[in-house]
Amino acid sequence: DAGITQSPRYKITETGRQVTLMCHQTWSHSYMFWYRQDLGHGLRLIYYSAAADITDKGEVPDGYVVSRSKTENFPLTLESATRSQTSVYFCASSETGGNQPQHFGDGTRLSIL
Amino acid sequence: AQSVTQLDSQVPVFEEAPVELRCNYSSSVSVYLFWYVQYPNQGLQLLLKYLSGSTLVKGINGFEAEFNKSQTSFHLRKPSVHISDTAEYFCAVSDQGDDKIIFGKGTRLHILP
Repeated sequence: DAGITQSPRYKITETGRQVTLMCHQTWSHSYMFWYRQDLGHGLRLIYYSAAADITDKGEVPDGYVVSRSKTENFPLTLESATRSQTSVYFCASSETGGNQPQHFGDGTRLSIL
Repeated sequence: AQSVTQLDSQVPVFEEAPVELRCNYSSSVSVYLFWYVQYPNQGLQLLLKYLSGSTLVKGINGFEAEFNKSQTSFHLRKPSVHISDTAEYFCAVSDQGDDKIIFGKGTRLHILP
């Protein structure tokens, strides 16, 4: 089915470990985004990508790395996880930039112990 | 920089009563405006959008919103709510020419029986 898929849905890991969250979309949308959602903060943009091999920082990029070698995939890596990165992470995509709505995945709930 | 304020973090309302969820954004020449809904354990879904044209925008599930440029507001309304409207609602804005969408912190709508 067409859509945007995030994996895993749930992840528990320990501080200092590397963890990668996956995002795959089947629409061939140019833009993809990573957000984190925390109580009292709403959604905050971590990184976004306008096309394959083009990425840019959002509001809270520290501690995260992204890549986009293929249009349909946009993985997010926490190189050395910290407890402050415990959150729900959402991936989204859109055909173009801010003038079009974004389509969201169901999220990854990440707990760092 | 653009910012979005959702004035109420929680709104309780009786079933079948009308509701208004308030949203204000910081001033800008031209903006695109969105309302999203998030049900528990799900990603965000688009309710409605304002890109241009009529300032009264109708969306899914009987919701509508009015763009007021002079007051920099985009309040969401529904004339009669149902228990199934229990969710969190996010207002979002994008400046024309910007790739990104800025989200408010969300308003949790509680429907009382």
